[in-house]
Amino acid sequence: DQQVKQNSPSLSVQEGRISILNCDYTNSMFDYFLWYKKYPAEGPTFLISISSIKDKNEDGRFTVFLNKSAKHLSLHIVPSQPGDSAVYFCAASARNTGNQFYFGTGTSLTVIP
Amino acid sequence: KAGVTQTPRYLIKTRGQQVTLSCSPISGHRSVSWYQQTPGQGLQFLFEYFSETQRNKGNFPGRFSGRQFSNSRSEMNVSTLELGDSALYLCASSLGTSGPYNEQFFGPGTRLTVL
Repeated sequence: DQQVKQNSPSLSVQEGRISILNCDYTNSMFDYFLWYKKYPAEGPTFLISISSIKDKNEDGRFTVFLNKSAKHLSLHIVPSQPGDSAVYFCAASARNTGNQFYFGTGTSLTVIP
Repeated sequence: KAGVTQTPRYLIKTRGQQVTLSCSPISGHRSVSWYQQTPGQGLQFLFEYFSETQRNKGNFPGRFSGRQFSNSRSEMNVSTLELGDSALYLCASSLGTSGPYNEQFFGPGTRLTVL
């Protein structure tokens, strides 16, 4: 049962434009959400997170939006750069599951120069 | 501060064999989680260890097991290997406290190929 879903396996964006990566979840108990970025042959690296008490968190070119009523979060990258080309995973956790994180299947982003 | 290390980086085994993978977490981190990554399946949670105790477990068969030592280093064992066990196995360490700011930091992974 996939509790965190990323329905777009891939996304291509022109350099300088906005990249929007989407993620949906089913468990209303999730209260902490994260985005990770992964390059081939490397482990995922933490990018940005958001707590359920917020609806937006910004860090430089990266902004995560959370819509709790729709159980949806998105990652915006503005402006997109070729070095952003990677696979992006969203993840979620809930206090009642301790330290267990649930990951989506990933979206492969390609930024075209 | 040194990152998460995993050994070996690459491994080739044959069906029926067993394998042990090792993970050293970031100093001070008490939680180690293991994930299996296969194409199209994302990161599938195997289990999490905290203070030498398995705290969470995913939906994997009993052939997958793990343990954690007093220095927080962890090992994962897969017995009676099957072709479908070929995957990238990732280890992640964290402080282990629930809630916000408890990010997981991943190692580079061990690429296991079963022939």
